[in-house]
Amino acid sequence: KNEVEQSPQNLTAQEGEFITINCSYSVGISALHWLQQHPGGGIVSLFMLSSGKKKHGRLIATINIQEKHSSLHITASHPRDSAVYICAVIEGNTPLVFGKGTRLSVIA
Amino acid sequence: DTGVSQDPRHKITKRGQNVTFRCDPISEHNRLYWYRQTLGQGPEFLTYFQNEAQLEKSRLLSDRFSAERPKGSFSTLEIQRTEQGDSAMYLCASSFGGGANYGYTFGSGTRLTVV
Repeated sequence: KNEVEQSPQNLTAQEGEFITINCSYSVGISALHWLQQHPGGGIVSLFMLSSGKKKHGRLIATINIQEKHSSLHITASHPRDSAVYICAVIEGNTPLVFGKGTRLSVIA
Repeated sequence: DTGVSQDPRHKITKRGQNVTFRCDPISEHNRLYWYRQTLGQGPEFLTYFQNEAQLEKSRLLSDRFSAERPKGSFSTLEIQRTEQGDSAMYLCASSFGGGANYGYTFGSGTRLTVV
């Protein structure tokens, strides 16, 4: 079974700071998801990656398949970015395996 | 299509009661997944369906839990004789196929509180 580790578990940043959240996994995968969860809310998919890098607005996600590692970056962070960010991996046809999440608080 | 819908959003029940949750996936999606998330943890897999067939069940799914997807469309998750440890967010997701590239979409979840 894949083990998915995220770091840090909790992160507090000042508005405008550049933020990085890391995810590592133990077994080769076919793709990795970065997900966002607001308090009391459902989960929204931000990115699905199988290689390289993707960018959407102020969010950038990268993955290194050889090193089994992915990062999610947020540029010019804003209080509305405050949420839990979850990394999840998929191997072939199996259901997603999730990390425990990183709780981000951005302070104005 | 409005995405994956879950009903109810919140449920408070007394210990020992039975509860049933419903999930309506995206209509084109043939796979439907149930996950459970407790406070401070990532979601954990419970079970999934391809069309009406239940393909896999986690050992987390005790005999008090049952899930169905009778016509390959909506699904129900029933918990019998609820316990306080069942308090959690129950998340449903759907996808087409099962591979990584097929529109994995989550519902807003059903938050269960057992008192």
